[in-house]
Amino acid sequence: GAVVSQHPSRVICKSGTSVKIECRSLDFQATTMFWYRQFPKQSLMLMATSNEGSKATYEQGVEKDKFLINHASLTLSTLTVTSAHPEDSSFYICSARGEQGNGYTFGSGTRLTVV
Amino acid sequence: GQSLEQPSEVTAVEGAIVQINCTYQTSGFYGLSWYQQHDGGAPTFLSYNALDGLEETGRFSSFLSRSDSYGYLLLQELQMKDSASYFCAVRDASYQLIWGAGTKLIIKP
Repeated sequence: GAVVSQHPSRVICKSGTSVKIECRSLDFQATTMFWYRQFPKQSLMLMATSNEGSKATYEQGVEKDKFLINHASLTLSTLTVTSAHPEDSSFYICSARGEQGNGYTFGSGTRLTVV
Repeated sequence: GQSLEQPSEVTAVEGAIVQINCTYQTSGFYGLSWYQQHDGGAPTFLSYNALDGLEETGRFSSFLSRSDSYGYLLLQELQMKDSASYFCAVRDASYQLIWGAGTKLIIKP
């Protein structure tokens, strides 16, 4: 079945630094990638939607200059958290939609801790 | 606004049957999905209903009534490994998923 590889699974960084999270679709072309953030005991919150080759569409309240999304190819999308702060500590999850069907394939998530 | 309502927590006994309900109010509807998420993990897809009726996949079944804006996930022969959070999600016209707040399923031996 469809697989999305997300790396890193866990990252600890210092406040003020940047962190890049990668999501790769291994056996299908991800025409659309969704990036979510999830705080403990809460639901997934959509941050942005990106389509290959075009700028990402950010949800209201999500700073596009802080959360940089690149979807340069049909198999790779990245989320860069710039100038990270402790309040950015969260679980970040990508989800890819292929060209066919109604399925969404989720990455395994990245636990970001900013100290 | 758009919203999905599901119980915050459900408790059941190992071997029993449990039903998790989901009602939705969305501007568009292109199917209801269910996802399972264990602590520390990412959501995993369980089922998808685009049309009214019951979809069965092993021990899990999902039901949809579009006229009632209602669906449920039915888990049979509960096992301890089924302890997790379960989310219902509606797909909208732009292929985004609108998520419920999740139901924590607690299974007792």
